[in-house]
Amino acid sequence: EAGVAQSPRYKIIEKRQSVAFWCNPISGHATLYWYQQILGQGPKLLIQFQNNGVVDDSQLPKDRFSAERLKGVDSTLKIQPAKLEDSAVYLCASSSSANYGYTFGSGTRLTVV
Amino acid sequence: KNEVEQSPQNLTAQEGEFITINCSYSVGISALHWLQQHPGGGIVSLFMLSSGKKKHGRLIATINIQEKHSSLHITASHPRDSAVYICAVYDTDKLIFGTGTRLQVFP
Repeated sequence: EAGVAQSPRYKIIEKRQSVAFWCNPISGHATLYWYQQILGQGPKLLIQFQNNGVVDDSQLPKDRFSAERLKGVDSTLKIQPAKLEDSAVYLCASSSSANYGYTFGSGTRLTVV
Repeated sequence: KNEVEQSPQNLTAQEGEFITINCSYSVGISALHWLQQHPGGGIVSLFMLSSGKKKHGRLIATINIQEKHSSLHITASHPRDSAVYICAVYDTDKLIFGTGTRLQVFP
């Protein structure tokens, strides 16, 4: 089966600019996750979707981050405006049921300068 | 204190050596995941286990639920095994990650 697709792979932006990441999960996977992984740390969950509804967004900095999964399939994560500390790898993952059998995408490496 | 602790943080080895990475956790879990992350960010799932032992090729993962401890072993290590290995545990409704163990295997 095809894996979790993410784009772009790399992005460099200046602080205060906006950026968007895209994720297409494995077909049929109802649960989709966005993680932020800062260099040297484990991934941190930003938001979890079940179909097109939000299950957990408690660690999403909502003043600047937003995410949507309008049709319960692919998802976008947006940062507006970006700060230097947002430099990280943003990982998307999906699973067929919540918290079982995760498959991760290749990630988007964001550098904010 | 992190809920999931891994050791060592960094590990270097010569090709062919037997490698062990340890993971200890402090929360009650339903399952534990070993993940491999190569430079560039992509994460690959190696094992998910809730008891006993699993083996795949040169990789072996064990878990002791009573002691809240898991180990990942690599036999006959190879330079292509160089990566970050991450332990993650399922705690009720979320996945909690360790900070990873960076492994470098030299020829």
